[in-house]
Amino acid sequence: QSALTQPASVSGSPGQSITISCTGTYSDVGAHNYVSWYQQHPGKAPKLMICDVSYRPSGVSSRFSGSKAGNTASLTISGLQAEDEADYYCSSYTSTNSYVFGSGTKVTVL
Amino acid sequence: EVQLVESGGGWVQPGRSLRLSCVASGFTFDDYAMHWVRQAPGKGLEWVSSINWNSGSIGYADSVEGRFTISRDNAKNSLYLQMNSLRAEDTAMYYCVKVHWGSTSRPNGLHMWGQGTMVTVSS
Repeated sequence: QSALTQPASVSGSPGQSITISCTGTYSDVGAHNYVSWYQQHPGKAPKLMICDVSYRPSGVSSRFSGSKAGNTASLTISGLQAEDEADYYCSSYTSTNSYVFGSGTKVTVL
Repeated sequence: EVQLVESGGGWVQPGRSLRLSCVASGFTFDDYAMHWVRQAPGKGLEWVSSINWNSGSIGYADSVEGRFTISRDNAKNSLYLQMNSLRAEDTAMYYCVKVHWGSTSRPNGLHMWGQGTMVTVSS
């Protein structure tokens, strides 16, 4: 159960779009369409932003979108806003009936 | 309003045990699988364990397999995590989490999170 690989940091200016990658293997990200993304502000509990690769739960801004190609999933934030500055984690169900999180990406709004 | 309230955390010596509890409200508890996720201070998220609606399907991370036991009491709208043989590396905030999709045992997004209960393992 090795952690999924995410870039340590991604930054962008307000209004820009950024993409965070999440690379796994054929036994997790590549095996299922059960990839989720979470946003976590300092000192707060995580918030589900995307599940099932690209499904956006009620209340999540349409500026957030998800996709997957092979063993790599991606989260795109469009029209970057100051409030988007946070840590982001991906997660995937695995072929051993478990879940694995990514290493986390710190998003900075310049 | 969905609420998940964890309790039972605290300071414990290595090798000892602790039992975490989570009381749920605001939704039909026995319709949803539940998870425990932890986060060591300054570190990332780590999935710990999951249990489906009727306790028929349970999973554990390799790091806690054989030491931790997840359970639930649907009559009490409660989720538990029995933690035995605790180690320093188990020190973390432990979150109780409700999945997004109900009435299914399929893999699921972790939708609603409690505020967490802190566990510190130290001599």
